[in-house]
Amino acid sequence: QQQVKQSPQSLIVQKGGISIINCAYENTAFDYFPWYQQFPGKGPALLIAIRPDVSEKKEGRFTISFNKSAKQFSLHIMDSQPGDSATYFCAASKGSGNTGKLIFGQGTTLQVKP
Amino acid sequence: GAGVSQSPSNKVTEKGKDVELRCDPISGHTALYWYRQRLGQGLEFLIYFQGNSAPDKSGLPSDRFSAERTGESVSTLTIQRTQQEDSAVYLCASSPSGELQTQYFGPGTRLLVL
Repeated sequence: QQQVKQSPQSLIVQKGGISIINCAYENTAFDYFPWYQQFPGKGPALLIAIRPDVSEKKEGRFTISFNKSAKQFSLHIMDSQPGDSATYFCAASKGSGNTGKLIFGQGTTLQVKP
Repeated sequence: GAGVSQSPSNKVTEKGKDVELRCDPISGHTALYWYRQRLGQGLEFLIYFQGNSAPDKSGLPSDRFSAERTGESVSTLTIQRTQQEDSAVYLCASSPSGELQTQYFGPGTRLLVL
């Protein structure tokens, strides 16, 4: 119930292509779904986040698609660049009266080839 | 402004020794979290502080792990009698009051237990 499952584990995309990473959850009490980007030797950085009242959120080349009925959400990186090569983590959290702790997926290592 | 800082950045210790890891959150952030990231894995929640109190310690893996926070600022994570399985990156995050789920991470402390 507390798990967030992320796929694929690794992804190789050509420069200019679209990178897609998927996550699924079980706990319907989750109401906040962020994506974090982590470069080697660095802490995770918040990239973009969504709440269940919308089905899509876009910030620049990054888009989250959210399917509440399927309990799935995904990150799309448009026009992928070599600088996007990093590990991406999805997460989920219960808000409102809870601690805000994040439950993370296992991570996806993205390599964008020039 | 300054982000979350952690020290030391790296720590090598011998099995059985105690270690202390420090976190300085973003100024004014009332919430502070500790997470653990094992090699190639996602982040695991350890403990949550609101002010100087820890209402959620559910992620601490054993009684060898403890944490405290003082002055609603600095936090210290202590691991007693370290074991090899404690080797991981320990990450601290903070968030502002009213936005618990929006967490900003430090660079982490890489702990290696020999």
